[in-house]
Amino acid sequence: AQSVTQLDSQVPVFEEAPVELRCNYSSSVSVYLFWYVQYPNQGLQLLLKYLSGSTLVKGINGFEAEFNKSQTSFHLRKPSVHISDTAEYFCAVSGSNFGNEKLTFGTGTRLTIIP
Amino acid sequence: ETGVTQSPTHLIKTRGQQVTLRCSSQSGHNTVSWYQQALGQGPQFIFQYYREEENGRGNFPPRFSGLQFPNYSSELNVNALELDDSALYLCASSGHIMEAFFGQGTRLTVV
Repeated sequence: AQSVTQLDSQVPVFEEAPVELRCNYSSSVSVYLFWYVQYPNQGLQLLLKYLSGSTLVKGINGFEAEFNKSQTSFHLRKPSVHISDTAEYFCAVSGSNFGNEKLTFGTGTRLTIIP
Repeated sequence: ETGVTQSPTHLIKTRGQQVTLRCSSQSGHNTVSWYQQALGQGPQFIFQYYREEENGRGNFPPRFSGLQFPNYSSELNVNALELDDSALYLCASSGHIMEAFFGQGTRLTVV
């Protein structure tokens, strides 16, 4: 079984400042890791994913995340945020073997950009 | 725009009623997963269908059931609705897990 912890439920950040959204996971098997963004009254949009290889993953909208196996973390970062980044961000994990592909999500982090 | 279409977008039902939600998957995708997202929470996995067969189920009671059709579209059925079933229901289609594309969701309100 897998689980995901997003420690910060809300993160306010000034426009053009950097941001880090934290995600820790727990799993007894090897995993794939994902970050999704959800805008108000919308579905989920994939920002980036880690499957294997380089631990630094670059995604859309200038976001990146680093997989740290020893700390079981997959924190999301952006060097300079924009008003349009205001949204809910979800970290998710899935097993990497066939038959274990369901996504397990964290409770989300609401990112609010202050002008 | 992901190509995953859900209907209806909003729905209000009375406790005890039954509801059917529909999902058209993205072209070429043979796997559909359903998730329930309660207000202020992350999505919770309900079940997944692969080539018309159930391929995994989360911790939901049997009154949550589903179907996948030969064209890979899918339905989620919920019987004997309870107030706690009020949530956003999300459908995701994928060719494989690395490419899960979500629809806009159906907002179900049970009164």
